[in-house]
Amino acid sequence: GAGVSQSPSNKVTEKGKDVELRCDPISGHTALYWYRQSLGQGLEFLIYFQGNSAPDKSGLPSDRFSAERTGGSVSTLTIQRTQQEDSAVYLCASSLEYGGSTYEQYFGPGTRLTVT
Amino acid sequence: LAKTTQPISMDSYEGQEVNITCSHNNIATNDYITWYQQFPSQGPRFIIQGYKTKVTNEVASLFIPADRKSSTLSLPRVSLSDTAVYYCLVGGRNDYKLSFGAGTTVTVRA
Repeated sequence: GAGVSQSPSNKVTEKGKDVELRCDPISGHTALYWYRQSLGQGLEFLIYFQGNSAPDKSGLPSDRFSAERTGGSVSTLTIQRTQQEDSAVYLCASSLEYGGSTYEQYFGPGTRLTVT
Repeated sequence: LAKTTQPISMDSYEGQEVNITCSHNNIATNDYITWYQQFPSQGPRFIIQGYKTKVTNEVASLFIPADRKSSTLSLPRVSLSDTAVYYCLVGGRNDYKLSFGAGTTVTVRA
């Protein structure tokens, strides 16, 4: 079946602009996660969705970052007034909420964001 | 989350078996051991997960001794396409915040 898809694959934006990153999880996966990974850095957790609600937003680095999920499926991560330090690869993952380990997550290919 | 320690890098040749050992001395009773693989410019890929003894799937085997203070990921007959970074994680079955350390960079040569 289809895996997790993300769009765009690459995004170059000017400092101060807003960007939207999209994630389509695996069908039937009720849990959805956003992470980011910077060059030479580890994986940084941003937010977790259970269905359409986000019980854990603890990883969002500032109020410029927000995310929503609709219909228990597609999710959008929005970064407002982008800064150069926001440059990173933004990864989306999904997993089964029940009947499976939430440590078993399936990742998309990522969106490489470059803020100039 | 239990801290893990694994080698920074390993070199191998095509057709050989690669074994990567991960130490996790303070693993908790309800913790599972999970391994991910990541190729350059790609998202991480779940490989295998286990609790004790041995787990095998079509990609790899995971060996876990009785004390569970370490685990070994075994990749049989590697090919050039197995060149990647491999991450060992330890956490409870309902933990969801994945956190990767430096991982082990496996380089397979012809």
